[in-house]
Amino acid sequence: EIVLTQSPGTLSLSPGERATLSCRASQSVSSSYLVWYQQKPGQTPRLLIYGASSRATGIPDRFSGSGSGTDFTLTISRLEPEDFAVYYCQQYGGSPRYTFGQGTKLEIK
Amino acid sequence: EVQLVESGGGLVQPGGSLRLSCAASGFTFSSYSMNWVRQAPGKGLEWVSYITGSSDAIYYADSVKGRFTISRDNARNSLYLQMNSLRDEDTAVYYCARDVADCSGGTCYEIRFDYWGQGTLVTVSS
Repeated sequence: EIVLTQSPGTLSLSPGERATLSCRASQSVSSSYLVWYQQKPGQTPRLLIYGASSRATGIPDRFSGSGSGTDFTLTISRLEPEDFAVYYCQQYGGSPRYTFGQGTKLEIK
Repeated sequence: EVQLVESGGGLVQPGGSLRLSCAASGFTFSSYSMNWVRQAPGKGLEWVSYITGSSDAIYYADSVKGRFTISRDNARNSLYLQMNSLRDEDTAVYYCARDVADCSGGTCYEIRFDYWGQGTLVTVSS
């Protein structure tokens, strides 16, 4: 099983700052199969980034994804108030078919 | 507009059964694989099960294998999850999610869940 470990667990930043979220895999993951989701309190998860770096429809360009192999990063260039949420990475491959990271909570400082 | 609407959640005793439904609209349901994903209260996301559009491939997480059964009725645009032998640890919000990928030459890339339902809460408790 490929385990995804996200860090930090909680990130406290102010609006306007840059956020860098990490997702580390226990073994190599194809970039094609690494996805990021955003979940706000009481809401359903929302697709942000797929293929490690492709933004989903309607996602602002302040969100970007990068990485390869075992290390992937979600970057939010300038935080807006609506960006404070929990972020999950996900990978496809092997057994189980999909795994999620445990999430990073991005909170207002 | 793509819509996924789950139903069927509720309170059930340990060892009991429940059947969840997900009604799909706004897209050609039979052309898409679908998933169930759950989220225990205050916890992260856990993938539960996957089914192809034609139901010819089905996968389960180890935590539910042998107890849960995923199925679909393309004529009714509906996805189901039959949950048997329920345990306390199955308590969660259950989401259905559409699976989409870019496929070429028999290989699929950029797999992701592009639409999610609002979820239905399953509580297993005596």
